[in-house]
Amino acid sequence: QKEVEQNSGPLSVPEGAIASLNCTYSDRGSQSFFWYRQYSGKSPELIMFIYSNGDKEDGRFTAQLNKASQYVSLLIRDSQPSDSATYLCAVLNTGGFKTIFGAGTRLFVKA
Amino acid sequence: DAGVIQSPRHEVTEMGQEVTLRCKLISGHNSLFWYRQTMMRGLELLIYFNNNVPIDDSGMPEDRFSAKMPNASFSTLKIQPSEPRDSAVYFCASSFGGRPEAFFGQGTRLTVV
Repeated sequence: QKEVEQNSGPLSVPEGAIASLNCTYSDRGSQSFFWYRQYSGKSPELIMFIYSNGDKEDGRFTAQLNKASQYVSLLIRDSQPSDSATYLCAVLNTGGFKTIFGAGTRLFVKA
Repeated sequence: DAGVIQSPRHEVTEMGQEVTLRCKLISGHNSLFWYRQTMMRGLELLIYFNNNVPIDDSGMPEDRFSAKMPNASFSTLKIQPSEPRDSAVYFCASSFGGRPEAFFGQGTRLTVV
């Protein structure tokens, strides 16, 4: 089992729709969770982090965390073509210094 | 404020040659991470420094890889000798004060032929 698992996609949604990206992790002691966006040929860029169970909203982005289910998700409302990128889920391990990345989900937003 | 700066942006070298990648941290950051990204393996952590001290190098693939942090703002990753399978994008990232969020440099695309 991979430490951080994501569906590789591609996930295709129409402009204006909600994109839902999912991630599961294996380290039950993990406390910090991140979503990075990576455009083709560019470096990963942090867009959301969440530490507590529940939802965290920032503009069009909502991160959701369920530690009991070891599940993290990212919702993008009113998706725009500029949101087309690979979204990387990242989890900080129990030791607190090693961030493990998932393989990423490619998102395409169709105009 | 400048972000994490990596050099070179692109490197093409012949198998067997030594390669040195460079990274300048964001001012005030005290944690430094070297990652490697390939299509097959995704983003892998190679080594992590905190306050100039290597904390975890378990991701360094072989003895051919070495990393140093001679001062608080600068790090190098060296591959000697390089092999074609080392071809990848190498990212450096830094963070501040124990906060786990990392800020990435633009990466170095390494091609070993």
